[in-house]
Amino acid sequence: NAGVTQTPKFRVLKTGQSMTLLCAQDMNHEYMYWYRQDPGMGLRLIHYSVGEGTTAKGEVPDGYNVSRLKKQNFLLGLESAAPSQTSVYFCASRRQGWSTDTQYFGPGTRLTVL
Amino acid sequence: DAKTTQPPSMDCAEGRAANLPCNHSTISGNEYVYWYRQIHSQGPQYIIHGLKNNETNEMASLIITEDRKSSTLILPHATLRDTAVYYCIVRGTSYGKLTFGQGTILTVHP
Repeated sequence: NAGVTQTPKFRVLKTGQSMTLLCAQDMNHEYMYWYRQDPGMGLRLIHYSVGEGTTAKGEVPDGYNVSRLKKQNFLLGLESAAPSQTSVYFCASRRQGWSTDTQYFGPGTRLTVL
Repeated sequence: DAKTTQPPSMDCAEGRAANLPCNHSTISGNEYVYWYRQIHSQGPQYIIHGLKNNETNEMASLIITEDRKSSTLILPHATLRDTAVYYCIVRGTSYGKLTFGQGTILTVHP
Protein backbone atom coordinates (compact mmCIF):
# COMPACT_ATOMS: atom_id res chain seq x y z
CA ASN A 1 0.00 0.00 0.00
CA ALA A 2 1.89 3.04 -1.29
CA GLY A 3 -0.72 5.62 -0.22
CA VAL A 4 -0.45 8.80 -2.28
CA THR A 5 2.38 9.10 -4.78
CA GLN A 6 3.39 12.04 -6.97
CA THR A 7 5.36 12.18 -10.19
CA PRO A 8 7.80 13.82 -10.77
CA LYS A 9 9.52 14.81 -7.52
CA PHE A 10 11.40 17.74 -9.07
CA ARG A 11 11.07 19.69 -12.29
CA VAL A 12 12.55 22.83 -13.83
CA LEU A 13 10.61 24.52 -16.62
CA LYS A 14 11.18 27.55 -18.78
CA THR A 15 8.47 30.21 -19.01
CA GLY A 16 5.82 29.15 -21.49
CA GLN A 17 6.50 25.43 -21.32
CA SER A 18 3.81 23.00 -20.35
CA MET A 19 3.80 19.98 -18.08
CA THR A 20 1.53 17.57 -16.24
CA LEU A 21 1.88 16.48 -12.64
CA LEU A 22 0.53 13.05 -11.79
CA CYS A 23 -1.02 12.04 -8.49
CA ALA A 24 -1.96 8.44 -7.78
CA GLN A 25 -3.62 6.85 -4.75
CA ASP A 26 -4.24 3.21 -4.00
CA MET A 27 -6.71 3.66 -1.12
CA ASN A 28 -9.85 3.77 -3.29
CA HIS A 29 -10.57 7.31 -2.08
CA GLU A 30 -13.33 9.32 -3.72
CA TYR A 31 -11.96 12.79 -3.06
CA MET A 32 -8.67 14.13 -4.38
CA TYR A 33 -7.04 17.55 -4.07
CA TRP A 34 -4.20 19.63 -5.48
CA TYR A 35 -2.55 22.23 -3.26
CA ARG A 36 0.39 24.56 -3.75
CA GLN A 37 2.72 25.79 -1.04
CA ASP A 38 4.89 28.86 -1.45
CA PRO A 39 7.87 29.53 0.87
CA GLY A 40 6.83 30.29 4.45
CA MET A 41 3.15 29.88 3.63
CA GLY A 42 0.44 27.36 4.32
CA LEU A 43 -1.08 25.22 1.58
CA ARG A 44 -3.64 26.71 -0.81
CA LEU A 45 -6.18 24.64 -2.70
CA ILE A 46 -5.90 24.76 -6.51
CA HIS A 47 -8.50 22.23 -7.71
CA TYR A 48 -10.28 19.26 -6.26
CA SER A 49 -12.37 16.29 -7.35
CA VAL A 50 -15.21 14.51 -5.56
CA GLY A 51 -15.21 11.55 -7.89
CA GLU A 52 -14.15 10.07 -11.20
CA GLY A 53 -14.97 12.41 -14.06
CA THR A 54 -15.67 15.45 -11.85
CA THR A 55 -13.46 18.40 -10.96
CA ALA A 56 -13.96 21.80 -9.38
CA LYS A 57 -11.99 24.98 -8.70
CA GLY A 58 -10.38 25.78 -5.41
CA GLU A 59 -8.90 29.04 -4.13
CA VAL A 60 -6.18 29.58 -6.73
CA PRO A 61 -7.20 27.79 -9.97
CA ASP A 62 -5.93 30.28 -12.56
CA GLY A 63 -3.25 28.91 -14.87
CA TYR A 64 -4.00 25.27 -14.02
CA ASN A 65 -6.24 22.54 -15.40
CA VAL A 66 -7.05 19.14 -13.96
CA SER A 67 -8.52 15.84 -15.01
CA ARG A 68 -9.82 12.78 -13.14
CA LEU A 69 -10.36 10.12 -15.80
CA LYS A 70 -9.67 7.28 -13.39
CA LYS A 71 -10.62 7.15 -9.72
CA GLN A 72 -7.06 6.53 -8.61
CA ASN A 73 -5.42 9.32 -10.63
CA PHE A 74 -5.65 13.10 -10.51
CA LEU A 75 -3.65 15.10 -13.06
CA LEU A 76 -2.62 18.74 -12.72
CA GLY A 77 -1.65 20.55 -15.91
CA LEU A 78 0.20 23.78 -16.54
CA GLU A 79 -0.41 24.84 -20.13
CA SER A 80 1.98 27.80 -20.17
CA ALA A 81 4.17 27.93 -17.10
CA ALA A 82 4.96 31.27 -15.44
CA PRO A 83 7.57 32.12 -12.76
CA SER A 84 4.69 32.79 -10.34
CA GLN A 85 3.92 29.07 -10.49
CA THR A 86 7.22 28.18 -8.89
CA SER A 87 6.08 26.30 -5.83
CA VAL A 88 5.79 22.94 -4.12
CA TYR A 89 2.70 21.05 -5.22
CA PHE A 90 0.98 18.57 -2.94
CA CYS A 91 -1.71 16.10 -3.81
CA ALA A 92 -4.07 14.64 -1.22
CA SER A 93 -6.94 12.18 -1.07
CA ARG A 94 -9.63 11.18 1.40
CA ARG A 95 -12.71 9.00 1.73
CA GLN A 96 -16.19 10.38 1.55
CA GLY A 97 -17.90 11.18 4.81
CA TRP A 98 -18.19 14.01 7.30
CA SER A 99 -16.41 12.85 10.43
CA THR A 100 -13.78 10.74 8.69
CA ASP A 101 -12.16 13.68 7.00
CA THR A 102 -8.52 12.68 7.20
CA GLN A 103 -6.62 13.78 4.15
CA TYR A 104 -3.58 11.78 3.13
CA PHE A 105 -0.87 13.78 1.40
CA GLY A 106 1.74 12.86 -1.13
CA PRO A 107 5.44 13.80 -0.79
CA GLY A 108 5.18 16.82 -3.08
CA THR A 109 6.55 17.99 -6.44
CA ARG A 110 9.04 20.84 -6.39
CA LEU A 111 8.58 22.95 -9.50
CA THR A 112 10.79 25.83 -10.59
CA VAL A 113 9.81 28.02 -13.53
CA LEU A 114 12.64 30.13 -14.93
CA ASP B 1 -14.47 28.77 7.28
CA ALA B 2 -13.64 29.69 10.85
CA LYS B 3 -10.33 31.48 11.14
CA THR B 4 -7.68 30.08 13.46
CA THR B 5 -4.92 31.90 15.31
CA GLN B 6 -1.71 30.18 16.41
CA PRO B 7 1.56 31.46 17.84
CA PRO B 8 4.22 31.61 15.11
CA SER B 9 6.77 29.57 17.04
CA MET B 10 7.32 27.56 20.22
CA ASP B 11 10.19 25.68 21.83
CA CYS B 12 10.08 22.50 23.85
CA ALA B 13 12.68 20.37 25.60
CA GLU B 14 12.98 16.78 24.50
CA GLY B 15 10.99 14.46 26.73
CA ARG B 16 8.71 17.20 27.98
CA ALA B 17 5.12 17.80 26.95
CA ALA B 18 4.53 20.23 24.12
CA ASN B 19 1.30 22.22 24.41
CA LEU B 20 0.31 24.02 21.24
CA PRO B 21 -2.61 26.47 21.52
CA CYS B 22 -5.11 27.48 18.88
CA ASN B 23 -7.87 30.08 18.95
CA HIS B 24 -10.96 29.60 16.77
CA SER B 25 -13.50 31.96 18.28
CA THR B 26 -15.80 31.98 15.21
CA ILE B 27 -16.16 28.21 14.97
CA SER B 28 -19.64 26.91 14.10
CA GLY B 29 -21.43 24.23 16.05
CA ASN B 30 -20.90 21.49 13.47
CA GLU B 31 -17.28 22.28 12.60
CA TYR B 32 -14.48 19.99 13.67
CA VAL B 33 -11.02 21.05 14.79
CA TYR B 34 -8.20 19.25 12.97
CA TRP B 35 -4.48 19.22 13.58
CA TYR B 36 -1.90 18.40 10.93
CA ARG B 37 1.84 18.76 10.96
CA GLN B 38 4.46 19.19 8.26
CA ILE B 39 7.96 17.94 8.84
CA HIS B 40 10.72 19.56 6.82
CA SER B 41 8.69 20.29 3.65
CA GLN B 42 7.20 16.82 3.48
CA GLY B 43 3.50 16.40 2.82
CA PRO B 44 1.30 17.34 5.79
CA GLN B 45 0.48 14.52 8.18
CA TYR B 46 -2.81 14.11 10.03
CA ILE B 47 -2.50 14.10 13.82
CA ILE B 48 -5.93 14.24 15.44
CA HIS B 49 -9.36 15.86 15.24
CA GLY B 50 -12.31 16.53 17.52
CA LEU B 51 -15.68 18.21 17.79
CA LYS B 52 -16.53 18.81 21.45
CA ASN B 53 -14.93 16.18 23.61
CA ASN B 54 -11.26 15.74 24.34
CA GLU B 55 -9.59 13.20 22.11
CA THR B 56 -6.49 11.06 22.44
CA ASN B 57 -4.68 8.78 20.03
CA GLU B 58 -1.24 7.26 19.78
CA MET B 59 0.30 10.54 18.63
CA ALA B 60 -1.32 13.25 20.72
CA SER B 61 -4.19 14.56 22.81
CA LEU B 62 -6.60 17.30 21.85
CA ILE B 63 -8.23 19.45 24.50
CA ILE B 64 -11.16 21.60 23.35
CA THR B 65 -12.59 24.21 25.70
CA GLU B 66 -16.23 23.95 26.66
CA ASP B 67 -17.18 27.00 24.58
CA ARG B 68 -15.14 25.51 21.67
CA LYS B 69 -13.42 28.82 21.03
CA SER B 70 -9.97 27.41 21.58
CA SER B 71 -8.10 24.14 21.72
CA THR B 72 -4.71 22.75 22.70
CA LEU B 73 -2.73 20.01 21.04
CA ILE B 74 -0.59 18.08 23.49
CA LEU B 75 2.39 15.97 22.50
CA PRO B 76 3.00 14.17 25.80
CA HIS B 77 6.70 13.34 25.40
CA ALA B 78 8.18 15.41 22.60
CA THR B 79 11.11 14.03 20.63
CA LEU B 80 13.47 15.69 18.18
CA ARG B 81 11.44 14.12 15.37
CA ASP B 82 8.42 16.16 16.46
CA THR B 83 10.12 19.35 15.23
CA ALA B 84 7.68 20.53 12.55
CA VAL B 85 5.10 23.13 11.58
CA TYR B 86 1.78 22.37 13.29
CA TYR B 87 -1.45 23.51 11.68
CA CYS B 88 -4.72 23.95 13.51
CA ILE B 89 -7.59 23.81 11.01
CA VAL B 90 -11.32 24.15 11.36
CA ARG B 91 -13.05 21.94 8.85
CA GLY B 92 -14.79 23.96 6.20
CA THR B 93 -17.20 23.03 3.46
CA SER B 94 -18.71 19.69 2.62
CA TYR B 95 -16.04 18.84 0.07
CA GLY B 96 -13.53 18.80 2.86
CA LYS B 97 -11.39 21.76 1.94
CA LEU B 98 -8.66 22.35 4.49
CA THR B 99 -7.67 25.99 4.98
CA PHE B 100 -4.06 26.10 6.13
CA GLY B 101 -2.83 29.16 8.00
CA GLN B 102 0.83 29.71 8.75
CA GLY B 103 0.84 27.32 11.69
CA THR B 104 3.20 27.08 14.64
CA ILE B 105 6.83 26.13 14.16
CA LEU B 106 7.61 23.77 17.04
CA THR B 107 11.28 23.25 17.75
CA VAL B 108 12.19 20.41 20.10
CA HIS B 109 15.69 20.79 21.49
CA PRO B 110 17.88 18.32 23.38
